[in-house]
Amino acid sequence: NAGVTQTPKFQVLKTGQSMTLQCAQDMNHNSMYWYRQDPGMGLRLIYYSASEGTTDKGEVPNGYNVSRLNKREFSLRLESAAPSQTSVYFCASSGFGTGGAWADTQYFGPGTRLTVL
Amino acid sequence: RKEVEQDPGPFNVPEGATVAFNCTYSNSASQSFFWYRQDCRKEPKLLMSVYSSGNEDGRFTAQLNRASQYISLLIRDSKLSDSATYLCVVNDEDTDKLIFGTGTRLQVFP
Repeated sequence: NAGVTQTPKFQVLKTGQSMTLQCAQDMNHNSMYWYRQDPGMGLRLIYYSASEGTTDKGEVPNGYNVSRLNKREFSLRLESAAPSQTSVYFCASSGFGTGGAWADTQYFGPGTRLTVL
Repeated sequence: RKEVEQDPGPFNVPEGATVAFNCTYSNSASQSFFWYRQDCRKEPKLLMSVYSSGNEDGRFTAQLNRASQYISLLIRDSKLSDSATYLCVVNDEDTDKLIFGTGTRLQVFP
């Protein structure tokens, strides 16, 4: 099992360009997440999907859109990139548990390092 | 006050030393607690969950103090390979989302 995979690993964009970050998991998890990690800020939730067909905003959704394409794939789109979106982006997934999806272990992908000039 | 607070460190300790990290959380209703480990330029990985009674996994011991709203991680007999950033994670019961601390950096030297 590959776990959680993300593409691309690195990306440089110019202000105003758009791009989509791809994420896929092969653990049959229902829940998937997108986080960004900035120095001194900790991981912050951008969007999440509790199950196939549903998506919800997290703490910092502005400037992003997401698509839960199927149970395996969850993509993050930047429509018009801004320098403030320079960050490391992590996708994660988790399965259902007795404490609800959030109480379960989240498995992270290797991350995408994005620079917006 | 931040929802989850950690001392950023770095903690520089020699091999074989015992080191402990604390993490405080603001929501007294929180029920689930975790320690994640993150190596430099890598993704976070679950180190251990923190149970009310405390739990141990080899050289690692996690404790929860609900009265004072903090969790701790104790590492005994430190190894060079323990060098990493340790993230404190708390499940916010109000929003049912995980809140990540900014991490405590540990550097173990020979």
